[in-house]
Amino acid sequence: NAGVTQTPKFRILKIGQSMTLQCTQDMNHNYMYWYRQDPGMGLKLIYYSVGAGITDKGEVPNGYNVSRSTTEDFPLRLELAAPSQTSVYFCASSYSGTSANEQFFGPGTRLTVL
Amino acid sequence: SQKIEQNSEALNIQEGKTATLTCNYTNYSPAYLQWYRQDPGRGPVFLLLIRENEKEKRKERLKVTFDTTLKQSLFHITASQPADSATYLCALDPSSGYSTLTFGKGTMLLVSP
Repeated sequence: NAGVTQTPKFRILKIGQSMTLQCTQDMNHNYMYWYRQDPGMGLKLIYYSVGAGITDKGEVPNGYNVSRSTTEDFPLRLELAAPSQTSVYFCASSYSGTSANEQFFGPGTRLTVL
Repeated sequence: SQKIEQNSEALNIQEGKTATLTCNYTNYSPAYLQWYRQDPGRGPVFLLLIRENEKEKRKERLKVTFDTTLKQSLFHITASQPADSATYLCALDPSSGYSTLTFGKGTMLLVSP
């Protein structure tokens, strides 16, 4: 199993540009998450999904959108990039919906907005 | 307000010693608390989970304690090795049993040969 994969690894955007961060998992997990991590800060939850077709906001959803059309994929969309969105983005998945289950993380996407 | 606090200063220890990392929380009543390891430029990796009714959990050289009265978890690495150098994150569920986790900022551990 590849686990959780993310593309791209790195990206530089200009202010106002849009992009989609891709996330795929091959563990048949129902739950998927998007986090951002700023230097010296903890992971902040952006959006999560409890299954295909169901998404919900996390702590910091503004400026982002998500969709979940399949169990495997959970893309994160930035519509109008702003410097405040410069961060490292991690996608994660877990087997079920209780916090008794570990989360599996992807390698991250490092995004810079100039 | 709810807070998770981990020591922001790096912990420097010598190889072979026991490293002890602290996670304190306020205004939470978590059912579970998890610990993750994060290496530079990589995603976090799950290490251990402890339930609210467990006092202690062990896995090889790792030991976690969970004191719901003190609202504190301690993470111990015995016989530490330079390869244990990383940032360690604690995470807990913001409301009992929910699927989302709230993460602390992490503590960097540096083990010198």
